[in-house]
Amino acid sequence: ETGVTQSPTHLIKTRGQQVTLRCSSQSGHNTVSWYQQALGQGPQFIFQYYREEENGRGNFPPRFSGLQFPNYSSELNVNALELDDSALYLCASSSRVTEAFFGQGTRLTVV
Amino acid sequence: KNEVEQSPQNLTAQEGEFITINCSYSVGISALHWLQQHPGGGIVSLFMLSSGKKKHGRLIATINIQEKHSSLHITASHPRDSAVYICAGNMEYGNKLVFGAGTILRVKS
Repeated sequence: ETGVTQSPTHLIKTRGQQVTLRCSSQSGHNTVSWYQQALGQGPQFIFQYYREEENGRGNFPPRFSGLQFPNYSSELNVNALELDDSALYLCASSSRVTEAFFGQGTRLTVV
Repeated sequence: KNEVEQSPQNLTAQEGEFITINCSYSVGISALHWLQQHPGGGIVSLFMLSSGKKKHGRLIATINIQEKHSSLHITASHPRDSAVYICAGNMEYGNKLVFGAGTILRVKS
């Protein structure tokens, strides 16, 4: 079991609503990355935070935003939810020299 | 063409068989990860390697930097090995991971 915890584990939202997903990082890791995994596909990179600053972004619209806190935990916020946002959202904490540790994911369903 | 390609997409094996999953990448990476994802979503990191070979129990991972290719081998496969296996490249710049689509492995008893 890793030290990365995601909450909530499951979530159902209505189209147009906003959602906040949370991730605690592994002790000693200062980098958190967020990924979206649609059913049957590999995870897609959303963005990464390093020491509280966004440090890279994938091909996701601005309504996907994030934060990293001084304790290196992180939030992913999605505004104006669309049906296609339904997916498993994974966070991974890492440092420059270690492997990534993944949380169990948050399964978001938009109806 | 995806930056990280895996093969095969699906694999069914009989218990005890030797299994190989392949991963090729077309981008510069600093390391390659092999991950295991069980139904329900949880991802476990099996290996991170940047050169040569690593072994853990019945699992062996190799990487050839010049050929931009990595393999994951499972010896004496067991039904509990059934899962999705994903390779992911750690990009040289930015430290983000780029994932393959995964290989669905089913080991029958």
